[in-house]
Order: sequence, then structure tokens, then C-alpha cells
Amino acid sequence: DAMVIQNPRYQVTQFGKPVTLSCSQTLNHNVMYWYQQKSSQAPKLLFHYYDKDFNNEADTPDNFQSRRPNTSFCFLDIRSPGLGDAAMYLCATSRTGGNQPQHFGDGTRLSIL
Amino acid sequence: GIQVEQSPPDLILQEGANSTLRCNFSDSVNNLQWFHQNPWGQLINLFYIPSGTKQNGRLSATTVATERYSLLYISSSQTTDSGVYFCAPRETSGSRLTFGEGTQLTVNP
Repeated sequence: DAMVIQNPRYQVTQFGKPVTLSCSQTLNHNVMYWYQQKSSQAPKLLFHYYDKDFNNEADTPDNFQSRRPNTSFCFLDIRSPGLGDAAMYLCATSRTGGNQPQHFGDGTRLSIL
Repeated sequence: GIQVEQSPPDLILQEGANSTLRCNFSDSVNNLQWFHQNPWGQLINLFYIPSGTKQNGRLSATTVATERYSLLYISSSQTTDSGVYFCAPRETSGSRLTFGEGTQLTVNP
């Protein structure tokens, strides 16, 4: 089945140690999104790609970066994770167009020690 | 940006009961999705419904875009329906889904 796959499901890292989360898709969608969801809160968009065109949200912290080497893969890099970055990170994809639905992966739950 | 209000914030039901969840939004939208987040954190897409009515088994949804609200109906609720239900519209002028704060549903046996 075509889908959005996030690895790993659970990630533990140390305070200040860089970490990378990955997302892949078999839907061949040209738009990919990263959301952050903290405990008991709604998902919040960090950034998204239209093809290779990167779009950062105004309030996304500077230590969050992203890479999209090809259509299928997108990575979230957290350069120096702090305790406040512990959260569920959700990847989503969609076709171009405001009326296209977004398809979500199962998420990666990040813990910071 | 668009403002999204979901009600009620919390809902407790007995198995078999019916319920209606509401989502109000402040601007014109060209996309609206309802999601169920299960206790393991998975966000399950229930409906893509920018307007009109759709049904899928015991669930149905209606969006009245001109009046800026959407409703999610759950009939004959089951314990597996427990979790958080999010409404996420996308404003016509924007590029992102904006999630409401969710409705926490608990269905007791």
C-alpha cells in the first residue's frame, strides 16, 4: 500500500546531541510537511516543501532544519535538542493544491534525556 | 491566520451512545480534514470534507463552508473510538492546515 513511513517510532537522544528523524513516502506527492505535537496539544506545522522549495514557519526555532534530497524522502534535523523539544513529530504529504488532503505517517516520539 | 474552535473539549460516553463534535472556523476554507488520534499517537484521517456530507460506517461528517463550521457524528460509539478528535481546516489564502485543540473522547464499556 502507498503510504507515509516514519522511522524510528521512538527516538531517545541526549540533551544537546543532534538527532535526525526520517520520513519516506510512496505516494509520489510533491508536498511534504513536518509537524511538532507536544503533550496534550494540537499538531503545529514547523515547515514544508513544495518539491525542493523550502517553506519555514515564522515561529519555528532555529535549531530545527530539514532536508529533502528527493521526492520520496524528507529529514528533520534538530541540531541541539533541549528538553522542550520532546514531542511527537509527524510527517505528512499531499499533492499540490489547496484542496488536496494531507496524509500522515505514524509519527516519531522523541524523548530527551 | 484562521482561528479554529472545537467543542466540547472533553466528552465521556457510555458504549452505544451517539455524539456530535463541532468545529467552528473563522475564515473561508478550501480543505477541511477530521482526524482521530489514538492512544498510541497515530493520527488517522477520518474525512476530507471541505463541504457537504460524507459517511463512513458509524461516522459521518458535514461541513457548511458558508457558515464556517463542520460537524462530526459518531453513532453507536465503541471503546475503540476513544482518543482525541481533531478538526483541521485550510484557509483559502494559506498553505497550511490549522488544527483545533481537539475533543478528548472517552467511551466507557
